[in-house]
Amino acid sequence: DAKTTQPPSMDCAEGRAANLPCNHSTISGNEYVYWYRQIHSQGPQYIIHGLKNNETNEMASLIITEDRKSSTLILPHATLRDTAVYYCIVRVASRGGADGLTFGKGTHLIIQP
Amino acid sequence: NAGVTQTPKFQVLKTGQSMTLQCAQDMNHEYMSWYRQDPGMGLRLIHYSVGAGITDQGEVPNGYNVSRSTTEDFPLRLLSAAPSQTSVYFCASSRGARTYTEAFFGQGTRLTVV
Repeated sequence: DAKTTQPPSMDCAEGRAANLPCNHSTISGNEYVYWYRQIHSQGPQYIIHGLKNNETNEMASLIITEDRKSSTLILPHATLRDTAVYYCIVRVASRGGADGLTFGKGTHLIIQP
Repeated sequence: NAGVTQTPKFQVLKTGQSMTLQCAQDMNHEYMSWYRQDPGMGLRLIHYSVGAGITDQGEVPNGYNVSRSTTEDFPLRLLSAAPSQTSVYFCASSRGARTYTEAFFGQGTRLTVV
């Protein structure tokens, strides 16, 4: 799996959009970008994933650059409950999920009231 | 919808004791795995299984055993507990490779070895 680089921490005001960057310059053509988050030591929670097109679901949007070397997770209207550690993971989808997601240290997002 | 259920939620062991952490999922997922998370760190893979009767080692397998006799259950055994195994343990499950979208995690077992 390709290595990812994320800032260790970020702040965002409640109600504003939170933009979390991730660099994955060694990503290969068949690797997807996945985002998970972990709220206060609970089990990680899947957010979204994508290959090369931008993706949106009820939780967030994922913007992947054209060269696929970086991506941004966007939480459009952050709330206090979005305070969590966010993990960007790059892997080949055909390998499945539970056989080994590589978690780095992620970005600790703190939503300020 | 129970999802992934881990028991117990908390456990204190003495050095040298053995125990089994239980993990069960009700989503008929093929893949299951165990991770440990030490303070301030990301999750590290201990063992995983891609189906009943099939298990394999992850990044940090030493001191742990697993088996997968049914699709639903994937217990993790600590053979002889050591203080270095003090950690939070997470179990995860997902559908098989060709249909993968996401992994579902349990709420964790907080283990302290004294």
